[in-house]
Amino acid sequence: NAGVTQTPKFQVLKTGQSMTLQCAQDMNHNSMYWYRQDPGMGLRLIYYSASEGTTDKGEVPNGYNVSRLNKREFSLRLESAAPSQTSVYFCASSTRGTGELFFGEGSRLTVL
Amino acid sequence: GQSLEQPSEVTAVEGAIVQINCTYQTSGFYGLSWYQQHDGGAPTFLSYNALDGLEETGRFSSFLSRSDSYGYLLLQELQMKDSASYFCAVRSTDYGQNFVFGPGTRLSVLP
Repeated sequence: NAGVTQTPKFQVLKTGQSMTLQCAQDMNHNSMYWYRQDPGMGLRLIYYSASEGTTDKGEVPNGYNVSRLNKREFSLRLESAAPSQTSVYFCASSTRGTGELFFGEGSRLTVL
Repeated sequence: GQSLEQPSEVTAVEGAIVQINCTYQTSGFYGLSWYQQHDGGAPTFLSYNALDGLEETGRFSSFLSRSDSYGYLLLQELQMKDSASYFCAVRSTDYGQNFVFGPGTRLSVLP
């Protein structure tokens, strides 16, 4: 049982480049999330999707776009990367209304 | 808006008991979760409290007081492997009832 799978695990970009982080879950969860984690700041919600076909902004959505491709997949796109987007990105999923989030292993992004 | 506060660091010795506190301010509260994260790893779920009181899961317990906007995680019989960061997270009406995380508490367990 793979759980939540993120790709890539590591990426280095130059300022202005674009990229997409991919996330897939095999637990039949309705809700999916993208968080970023910076040192000393915990995890901050970028975007979430309560169900297939819906997406909503979280705390820090600027500079990002998302797509809920189907129930399993939720991608995060950086259209024009900036050094401030250097961070560790975590995808998560859950059954709506419960207290437990299941996290992927994280994607470590560096923007030069 | 909302905010969560946790101590930044806690140190304890093997076999001891440690309590990590979390205070929160939120407009509409549904529940409080706790997560553990080892260096370089992903957060993993420990517990969830939606109602006042104590929830126990093995060596770990979590407590919630909704009237005080306060919760804590209690770790007993500390082991070296418990050295990690611990995050509280509030589920509230903000952002579609999704979770907002505290800044985290780094626990160091000494031999």
